[in-house]
Parts: sequence; C-alpha cells; structure tokens
Amino acid sequence: AQRVTQPEKLLSVFKGAPVELKCNYSYSGSPELFWYVQYSRQRLQLLLRHISRESIKGFTADLNKGETSFHLKKPFAQEEDSAMYYCALSYNTDKLIFGTGTRLQVFP
Amino acid sequence: DTEVTQTPKHLVMGMTNKKSLKCEQHMGHRAMYWYKQKAKKPPELMFVYSYEKLSINESVPSRFSPECPNSSLLNLHLHALQPEDSALYLCASSRGPSSYEQYFGPGTRLTVT
Repeated sequence: AQRVTQPEKLLSVFKGAPVELKCNYSYSGSPELFWYVQYSRQRLQLLLRHISRESIKGFTADLNKGETSFHLKKPFAQEEDSAMYYCALSYNTDKLIFGTGTRLQVFP
Repeated sequence: DTEVTQTPKHLVMGMTNKKSLKCEQHMGHRAMYWYKQKAKKPPELMFVYSYEKLSINESVPSRFSPECPNSSLLNLHLHALQPEDSALYLCASSRGPSSYEQYFGPGTRLTVT
C-alpha cells in the first residue's frame, strides 16, 4: 500500500543552522511528491512539488527514487520557518496521501 | 479571488441534528476535495469531486453526504453524527486531479455533542 513516513514528530534547531526534514514513501510506480506547510493560524499550503524542482523560501527537496525519499532541506533556518510540515504523495488518481507531519521549531 | 472559503468556521451540533458545511472557490478549479483532520494528525481524504462528479469516496460512513451543486461549490451534509466525528473539516480545490497543487480552505471546526 502507498505510504508516506516522516520519522520525526518534532525538529528543533537554532536560527542559522541547517535543516533537513525527512520523508520516505512506499509506492512501486512513479509518484508525485509534495511538501505542504502550515504556519501558525494559517491554512495548509503547498511549499514544493518535486516535478517543478524549484527552491521556495530557501527550501529544496530532491526525489531519490533509489532510496524512495523526498527530504526537505534548507541550509540556514530562519525563525519564520517554524511551522508544521507535511510530505505528501499523489499517484494515478486524485488521491493525496499525507505523512504524519514534522513540527519544525527554529529558536533565535 | 484566489482563496478557498469555508463556512461556518465553527459548528457545534448534537447527534440528532442535520447540518451542512459549505466550501466555495472561484478559481475555475475542476477538482474539489473534503478532508478530515483530527488533532495532531494529518488530513485524511474523504471525498473527491472531479468535474462535478464524485470520483472518490474513501469508505466514508453514510452520515456524511457530499454534494457538488456546481463547479464552484462543495457541500458536506451531516446527519446523525457521533462524538468521534468531531474534527477539523478541510476543503481543497485544484485545477485538475492528482498532479496539480491543492489549495486548502481554513477549515470548519466541528464539535459533536
């Protein structure tokens, strides 16, 4: 069955430190992968999609099909990056499956 | 208008009540979604409408009844709910299915007493 795993519930770093939020998926075909973010008191919104291969707010994510991973990275964390981050997988149909989420806390 | 709106923001209902949640978008999107999100959990897909037709029902109990009157509106009719149905109900829309960005509404916080 298709599954998205985010092993860390909480990730705490200091401002300026590198950040890596892990995401692994299980799917035998060619998935489409996304990172969604939810800032405090705001709605869930798309941060990145693997197909576009762009950097948003300094974040990047590379799809590694060999390791079935789609980790989110940022070289220098900012306090405003503090939020809930969800990795999500879409396949074949209209379904979007979310991982359990990682809360990122960036301390000053 | 580039937002998905949902009404009401909060809803408290008894187990014998009938109520409806509403979702609206004016971005010309042709796919609309209902998700359920429990506290500290990820959103779980309930229903998908694609071009105003129900394309996915994730084995949701019949006490939840979706309706898509037109391409801009999505309703979720609620009847005889249980306390465990209390959750945040999110609506989302996208230009088309699966590979397109989903735009989420702020949600309706539902409490069943």
